[in-house]
Amino acid sequence: GAVVSQHPSWVICKSGTSVKIECRSLDFQATTMFWYRQFPKQSLMLMATSNEGSKATYEQGVEKDKFLINHASLTLSTLTVTSAHPEDSSFYICSARTETYSNQPQHFGDGTRLSIL
Amino acid sequence: QKEVEQNSGPLSVPEGAIASLNCTYSDRGSQSFFWYRQYSGKSPELIMSIYSNGDKEDGRFTAQLNKASQYVSLLIRDSQPSDSATYLCAVNAQNTGGFKTIFGAGTRLFVKA
Repeated sequence: GAVVSQHPSWVICKSGTSVKIECRSLDFQATTMFWYRQFPKQSLMLMATSNEGSKATYEQGVEKDKFLINHASLTLSTLTVTSAHPEDSSFYICSARTETYSNQPQHFGDGTRLSIL
Repeated sequence: QKEVEQNSGPLSVPEGAIASLNCTYSDRGSQSFFWYRQYSGKSPELIMSIYSNGDKEDGRFTAQLNKASQYVSLLIRDSQPSDSATYLCAVNAQNTGGFKTIFGAGTRLFVKA
């Protein structure tokens, strides 16, 4: 149980392109989803917390107009990197938890490796 | 600032040995504790959850929790080369609006064949 699917797994695109990443919970309803970024050999960095039907909460230093998050249903959240530039190249990982007030663990998707040329 | 501290390693153990990974946390109100394994280039995978003081065993893995000392550990018995990965300690602490998960930076483990 608790399977999270993330798509695509790998994206290469030109600078200035917008890229959308999807995160789906396959066998549970995810009231809360999280988006992380991880650079090589560095720690997970939380970018934002997304609750179904409401605006995402962004961590300090993360540009909400650059990283658009939509959590339109209990099984789907999307992250759109707008006008991506080479410095946005990173490993983006989503995770999901069953309930907002849950004391349960987060379950991670397989991640999306984004390379901006 | 709520923190979760781990030794970054690398921790190197021979095949068949016990690997011991440690984690301390700062928030006494923390209520649940998790260990994730992350292979290089992959996303984290949940391997253990523990909620009360004491030991919890699952196969070759044992999680140990001591809330008084604010300490949680993971023991891996009969370590295998396939256990070589970064192990992340995560702690859920109650926050405004729910539970916030704080991740440690991870400990890199190398199991030598």
